[in-house]
Amino acid sequence: SQQGEEDPQALSIQEGENATMNCSYKTSINNLQWYRQNSGRGLVHLILIRSNEREKHSGRLRVTLDTSKKSSSLLITASRAADTASYFCATDEETSGSRLTFGEGTQLTVNP
Amino acid sequence: EAGVAQSPRYKIIEKRQSVAFWCNPISGHATLYWYQQILGQGPKLLIQFQNNGVVDDSQLPKDRFSAERLKGVDSTLKIQPAKLEDSAVYLCASSFWDDGTGGQETQYFGPGTRLLVL
Repeated sequence: SQQGEEDPQALSIQEGENATMNCSYKTSINNLQWYRQNSGRGLVHLILIRSNEREKHSGRLRVTLDTSKKSSSLLITASRAADTASYFCATDEETSGSRLTFGEGTQLTVNP
Repeated sequence: EAGVAQSPRYKIIEKRQSVAFWCNPISGHATLYWYQQILGQGPKLLIQFQNNGVVDDSQLPKDRFSAERLKGVDSTLKIQPAKLEDSAVYLCASSFWDDGTGGQETQYFGPGTRLLVL
């Protein structure tokens, strides 16, 4: 069963704007990760946030985690056309033994 | 550093035929994963190996899917016989155990094998 659920399913913005994607999950986690998948390519790891962390930054990416609400958000600032991709959250559940459970993904389109 | 290699990249077969996929993980990565990604969905774990032992195969349809990692390096995933609903991208990933964090969190994915069953 899917642990993470991303919202929205699809997002279309103009270059330079910020993009925010949300992820909700159901069980206790060790960490939550965000991955990007370009058309025809494999998944690329973007950022990992542990259950005892609330916010993390990496370049133009900002991830927040609220374990009380079982939710996370990914913010991409100053978006570029090259950011066009599908973004997935994946949870490492406490009882799973390092198994990642992926959500359905958000399709982001950045228009030049 | 070389990434995760997979072959073939594409495969078209008819239902009830057999098919096999190959994966070579990043050198030194003890853990290897096979995922199935159906169009429009997120990847779903099929099987996880730690060296040559199976850690988790709870979501592997064992009546038709099998996987092995005999020498703890390369792995093959086989489907026999294939069904129409097996059409998907099959992703292989690998990770290493980080003693510092006590985990193997980041997974490195290959480009995948796109399977079409007619």
